[in-house]
Amino acid sequence: AQSVTQLDSQVPVFEEAPVELRCNYSSSVSVYLFWYVQYPNQGLQLLLKYLSGSTLVKGINGFEAEFNKSQTSFHLRKPSVHISDTAEYFCAVSGSYNQGGKLIFGQGTELSVKP
Amino acid sequence: GAVVSQHPSRVICKSGTSVKIECRSLDFQATTMFWYRQFPKQSLMLMATSNEGSKATYEQGVEKDKFLINHASLTLSTLTVTSAHPEDSSFYICSAAEGDPSNEQFFGPGTRLTVL
Repeated sequence: AQSVTQLDSQVPVFEEAPVELRCNYSSSVSVYLFWYVQYPNQGLQLLLKYLSGSTLVKGINGFEAEFNKSQTSFHLRKPSVHISDTAEYFCAVSGSYNQGGKLIFGQGTELSVKP
Repeated sequence: GAVVSQHPSRVICKSGTSVKIECRSLDFQATTMFWYRQFPKQSLMLMATSNEGSKATYEQGVEKDKFLINHASLTLSTLTVTSAHPEDSSFYICSAAEGDPSNEQFFGPGTRLTVL
């Protein structure tokens, strides 16, 4: 079985400050890892994904994440946030083999960027 | 990019009535569609996976007779909430994948269901 834990339910930060949203996963099989962003009353938009290869993954809107297999983590980072980054962020995992594409989501982290 | 639409975006209905939600892939063929449910301030929970032309696979704890899923074409899947009750009020989100179900899922904008 797979699971995802997002360690922070809310992260307040000032504009132009750096931010890290933490995500840990557990799985007995190889995994794919994802970060999604959800704006109020909207669906999810993919920020970035790790499938294989380089452990540092760059995504849209200046976000990046690093896959750390030994620590089973996939933390999301941005060096300088904007007001428009205020949203809910979800980390997700799927098995890389024969999992039928099922995504298991974390609880979400609410990023609040203040001026 | 791949676009998935949902209709309606919001629906309010009386307890005991049935509601149908449509999920469409606008510019690709969705061999697999997924239906999620999201309660306020909570994460998305997968309800079922549907493949075009076959019966949906429901997750444990999801009543298949209450949440009817039809995936009749490669661009359309529907979720019907039958005999809706206030506890069914939620945000329902679909996603679609082209080809192998492990391919990237594209998410719809969601449907807010309120049952009075």
